[in-house]
Amino acid sequence: NAGVTQTPKFQVLKTGQSMTLQCAQDMNHNSMYWYRQDPGMGLRLIYYSASEGTTDKGEVPNGYNVSRLNKREFSLRLESAAPSQTSVYFCASKPPGQPNTGELFFGEGSRLTVL
Amino acid sequence: GENVEQHPSTLSVQEGDSAVIKCTYSDSASNYFPWYKQELGKRPQLIIDIRSNVGEKKDQRIAVTLNKTAKHFSLHITETQPEDSAVYFCAASIPYKYIFGTGTRLKVLA
Repeated sequence: NAGVTQTPKFQVLKTGQSMTLQCAQDMNHNSMYWYRQDPGMGLRLIYYSASEGTTDKGEVPNGYNVSRLNKREFSLRLESAAPSQTSVYFCASKPPGQPNTGELFFGEGSRLTVL
Repeated sequence: GENVEQHPSTLSVQEGDSAVIKCTYSDSASNYFPWYKQELGKRPQLIIDIRSNVGEKKDQRIAVTLNKTAKHFSLHITETQPEDSAVYFCAASIPYKYIFGTGTRLKVLA
């Protein structure tokens, strides 16, 4: 099992460009998440998908869109990138079970720089 | 919405000493409190968790305590070792959402 796989690992964009971060998990998990990590700010939830076919906003959704393509894949799209979106992005998934317990399994992260 | 505050932001201890990291949460509906460790350049990984019906949980040198009345929970690391140096995050959960604290950078000095 590869676990949670994110692509790309590194990306440099110019302001106004668009891009999609891809995430896939092979653990048959139901719930998937996108977090961003900034120095001194911890991990902030952007969007999550409790199950296939559903998506919901987290703490900092502005400027992002998501798609839960199927049970395995959850993508994050930046339509018009801004320097404030420079960050490390982590995708995570959680096994089925109680909705608010259980370990989050994180991907390796994607480092995005917006110039 | 749920808010999680974490203190201190940085902590330096001598090898062999204990380290304590504290968190408070705002949503009384939260009933699950995990702690994650993130080594430099790596992904966060779960090290211990506690549910709201338990006051304390231990796993070798690490322990977590929970005070539901005060909405406080803490991570305790005893006999610290250099490999404990990392960033530690607390979190509180509400259905399907895990809200993280801002992290504590722990440095264990040899």
